[in-house]
Amino acid sequence: SQQGEEDPQALSIQEGENATMNCSYKTSINNLQWYRQNSGRGLVHLILIRSNEREKHSGRLRVTLDTSKKSSSLLITASRAADTASYFCAPMRHTDKLIFGTGTRLQVFP
Amino acid sequence: DVKVTQSSRYLVKRTGEKVFLECVQDMDHENMFWYRQDPGLGLRLIYFSYDVKMKEKGDIPEGYSVSREKKERFSLILESASTNQTSMYLCASSRRGQGQWGYTFGSGTRLTVV
Repeated sequence: SQQGEEDPQALSIQEGENATMNCSYKTSINNLQWYRQNSGRGLVHLILIRSNEREKHSGRLRVTLDTSKKSSSLLITASRAADTASYFCAPMRHTDKLIFGTGTRLQVFP
Repeated sequence: DVKVTQSSRYLVKRTGEKVFLECVQDMDHENMFWYRQDPGLGLRLIYFSYDVKMKEKGDIPEGYSVSREKKERFSLILESASTNQTSMYLCASSRRGQGQWGYTFGSGTRLTVV
């Protein structure tokens, strides 16, 4: 299956703490993407990491990719209440079709 | 600001009605997608299109059809709405590129079938 599986399913932290979410997948990939979804809204593309990259940063986001373990992680540093959302990983093969998992629900308490 | 626009934010329809969900993108993207999202099931792909007049079935196409007569517009059609089609529907678009590009999503349409 091309689907990514996020872990944990839910995560609760205090503002200022770091949040780490993990993603595992089963097939070879071209890249892996992370998305955020605020409650009841569409998904927003956060970051794309290519299969030949090991780490990528974007603001307070750090994504790692380990193709040998078929896993990725998303780290949000110094979290804020506004980071409260669901986060999805989407491993991409050599097609344009994304298959999403059920996501990680992150709750950041003020 | 580039975007994907879904025509309705909330929609209530009766069982048996024919329902049209419209999606328009202004980014000249080749690819367009329809997903539905249900609690505990995540996003599931219904149909996608790589070009005008082209369509491919996703994982759950039963009870749905699509139309793509123009590049910027991708319509999802519920031929005879049923209560089990009550869901959040999300449209997305992307550039063609064998998986090189991210998706842009619309804000979603929450459909209730009564």
